[in-house]
Amino acid sequence: DQQVKQNSPSLSVQEGRISILNCDYTNSMFDYFLWYKKYPAEGPTFLISISSIKDKNEDGRFTVFLNKSAKHLSLHIVPSQPGDSAVYFCAASEGSGAQKLVFGQGTRLTINP
Amino acid sequence: DTEVTQTPKHLVMGMTNKKSLKCEQHMGHRAMYWYKQKAKKPPELMFVYSYEKLSINESVPSRFSPECPNSSLLNLHLHALQPEDSALYLCASSQGTSDSYEQYFGPGTRLTVT
Repeated sequence: DQQVKQNSPSLSVQEGRISILNCDYTNSMFDYFLWYKKYPAEGPTFLISISSIKDKNEDGRFTVFLNKSAKHLSLHIVPSQPGDSAVYFCAASEGSGAQKLVFGQGTRLTINP
Repeated sequence: DTEVTQTPKHLVMGMTNKKSLKCEQHMGHRAMYWYKQKAKKPPELMFVYSYEKLSINESVPSRFSPECPNSSLLNLHLHALQPEDSALYLCASSQGTSDSYEQYFGPGTRLTVT
């Protein structure tokens, strides 16, 4: 049973445009959501997070939106840059402290010049 | 500084070998994690240490044995592995407090079992 789903395995966006990556979850006990970026042969790099008590969090070019009623979150990157090409993982946590992160399958984002 | 270091970067071992993976962080984090990642799959949690005590074991086979000698170090001892255990092994750390959620990952150890 996949509790966190990223239904788009890949996404291609032109440089300078907006990239929108989507994530759905099924476990209503999740209360914190994170986005990670991963390059090949490297560990995931933390990008941005959002608590379930908020519906938006912004950090520079990255904005995460959370729709709790739809159990859906999205990551917006604007403007997209070639260095943004990577695999993006959505992750969710149930509770704080030393907790398990449940990851989605990832979306490979390619930014075309 | 959000650096987690892992050694070695690559490891090739036979099914009868014993080896260890090492992870270190100097961020004062009190929670440390081992994840396993297969190709084209998301990371999967193996173990969690909180304040140097094992708090979560995701039903990992006993051929994987974690150890947390102190709050900065985390080891994963490997013995009698199978070829299907070949994967990227990721270490992560987090503050481990009630107001913390973010986990910071190391670069991983690429393990090949022959």
